[in-house]
Amino acid sequence: QGQLLQSGTEVKKPGASVKVSCKSSGYTFRDYYMHWVRQAPGQGLEWMGWIFPKTGGTYYAQKFQGRVTLTRDTSITTTYLELSSLTSDDTALYYCTRENWFFDYWGQGTLVTVSS
Amino acid sequence: DIVMTQSPDSLAVSLGERASINCKSSQYIFDNSNKKNSLSWFQQKPGQPPRLLIYWATTRQSGVPDRFSGSGSGTDFTLTISSLQAEDVAVYYCQQYYNLPRTFGPGTRVDIK
Repeated sequence: QGQLLQSGTEVKKPGASVKVSCKSSGYTFRDYYMHWVRQAPGQGLEWMGWIFPKTGGTYYAQKFQGRVTLTRDTSITTTYLELSSLTSDDTALYYCTRENWFFDYWGQGTLVTVSS
Repeated sequence: DIVMTQSPDSLAVSLGERASINCKSSQYIFDNSNKKNSLSWFQQKPGQPPRLLIYWATTRQSGVPDRFSGSGSGTDFTLTISSLQAEDVAVYYCQQYYNLPRTFGPGTRVDIK
């Protein structure tokens, strides 16, 4: 059974960057796309992009292009989301989720709060 | 982008009664390569990540109670809870994985009447 374990809560000031990690276990890390989805307080789910661990290839939602970077470290089966130029609108829970065509495994979420 | 809409926004159903949630995609999400509709349903309870209930529009994920079922094809889909239980109180989302960007419906809140 696959598991995704995310890093802990982050508090950042406007204009700063944040890097969230997602450690995969229980499946062949390199073979499955990893997506990132965020959820602002009381709001719905917003897709941000994916990374393919085998190649490092990425695809970003247009809204986040230029501000988001997805990377991975295959030696420790971990993917990373980095989001820069943070504003209060980026305050949200950030989830990693594995694609098996559909999103079958989800991380527990990482709360990022942007506040001055 | 494929726009996903859901109706109703919320519903309240008596325990043991049927609950149905509708989801509509702005274009066909039927994948001709595998003859399946690229649609998932998720359940999200407060403080928890989304949980996959249904994929390929009609296939129940392992461990999901059989009171949950998915139906539909093309652009119109339905999630049905045949006999609502107290633990089913949650927000339900549909999502298409036909193409990029992946898009979600706005969610439907289900409560007990």
